[in-house]
Amino acid sequence: AQSVTQLDSQVPVFEEAPVELRCNYSSSVSVYLFWYVQYPNQGLQLLLKYLSGSTLVKGINGFEAEFNKSQTSFHLRKPSVHISDTAEYFCAVFYYNTDKLIFGTGTRLQVFP
Amino acid sequence: NAGVTQTPKFQVLKTGQSMTLQCAQDMNHNSMYWYRQDPGMGLRLIYYSASEGTTDKGEVPNGYNVSRLNKREFSLRLESAAPSQTSVYFCASSVRTEGSPLHFGNGTRLTVT
Repeated sequence: AQSVTQLDSQVPVFEEAPVELRCNYSSSVSVYLFWYVQYPNQGLQLLLKYLSGSTLVKGINGFEAEFNKSQTSFHLRKPSVHISDTAEYFCAVFYYNTDKLIFGTGTRLQVFP
Repeated sequence: NAGVTQTPKFQVLKTGQSMTLQCAQDMNHNSMYWYRQDPGMGLRLIYYSASEGTTDKGEVPNGYNVSRLNKREFSLRLESAAPSQTSVYFCASSVRTEGSPLHFGNGTRLTVT
């Protein structure tokens, strides 16, 4: 079955530290990959996407992600986080062969001063 | 731009009552979606409409109905609410279903007692 796994449900980190939020998906078939961010009491906003081309994708707010086809991963990184990055982050994968978009269960990033 | 607008923001229902959640988008998108978000489960697709005049079931359609009233509006109806339908409901839209990024509304928080 197609699935998206975000292994870390919560990631606590101090301000200005680097962070990596992990995302793995179940199949090596052709995919589109997305990261969304959800601030409290809001809907999800697109952070970045991978459709094709360079495997390193840069998004808004200084975030970037790297597509690794062999490891079926799309981890999100930021070299130095701010308090304002505190939010929930969702990885989503669109599978060409089934025309389905699958969301991970989310990772709550908590940035402490 | 308003983007995706959902009403109401909050609602409390008694078991067995009915209600309709409204959603409208002003981005001229073809595809619209209804998701529910529950703690630890990510987002699950209830119904979607690939284009005006079509609707299809998603992962968790039981207990819900939808209407794509026109290109802008996509409503979700609960005919007989149950406590298991307590959730946060998000409407989203995209240019098309094949891997386009989703634009989300701010959600409707529904409690069924």
